[in-house]
Amino acid sequence: IVMTQSPLSLPVTPGEPASISCRSSLSLLHSNGNNYLHWYLQKPGQSPQLLIYLGSNRASGVPDRFSGSGSGTDFTLTISRVEADDVGVYYCMQALQTPQIAFGPGTKVVIK
Amino acid sequence: EVQLVESGGGLVKPGGSLRLSCVVSGFTFSNYSMNWVRQAPGKGLEWVSSISSSGTYIFYTDSLKGRFSISRDNPRNSLYLQMNSLRAEDTAIYYCARSRSFDFWGQGTLVTVSS
Repeated sequence: IVMTQSPLSLPVTPGEPASISCRSSLSLLHSNGNNYLHWYLQKPGQSPQLLIYLGSNRASGVPDRFSGSGSGTDFTLTISRVEADDVGVYYCMQALQTPQIAFGPGTKVVIK
Repeated sequence: EVQLVESGGGLVKPGGSLRLSCVVSGFTFSNYSMNWVRQAPGKGLEWVSSISSSGTYIFYTDSLKGRFSISRDNPRNSLYLQMNSLRAEDTAIYYCARSRSFDFWGQGTLVTVSS
């Protein structure tokens, strides 16, 4: 499975919305109705942290300005109002096919 | 508080071996699958290996060609990655991460393969 993300670099203005697209070469929709697509943020100098799991569920402690949507092969991470603390690299990851877990290339979010 | 602490990284010559460890606390280790992910300098994340909660099921990324081996010791709350025949391209920070959703990550341990 090949994961692609766009854009790869995203200049954002604090207070404005931002969105990142993630596409999979194969459908990530399981027969149980879950999309096995997760989103992570790696802040500068830190380990990655889980933001969104199973396509649209916010992880514990994640602000509600982050949301995930999509199904099958097309997914979107949206930040409703960007804050300065949101800078870093955002990765999507497919977890449907365990022997072929794959991350997207990452989208670097920077403040304009 | 969930914690994952990796160790065992360092400088090793090409062809050498290293064993990484990940000691966890704050949750029932034996209930969760575990994973290793690596990140080469300035690059993105690459999944390396996963192991089921009991250790029965094990998966590796194809590119490793049998050089790495994942294992776990549930009574010791520990995850391991045995790395053999190391190459320069294995140079990376190695992270352990919990569960199928990779919901908690350690701080990583740096492996440098160089002569």
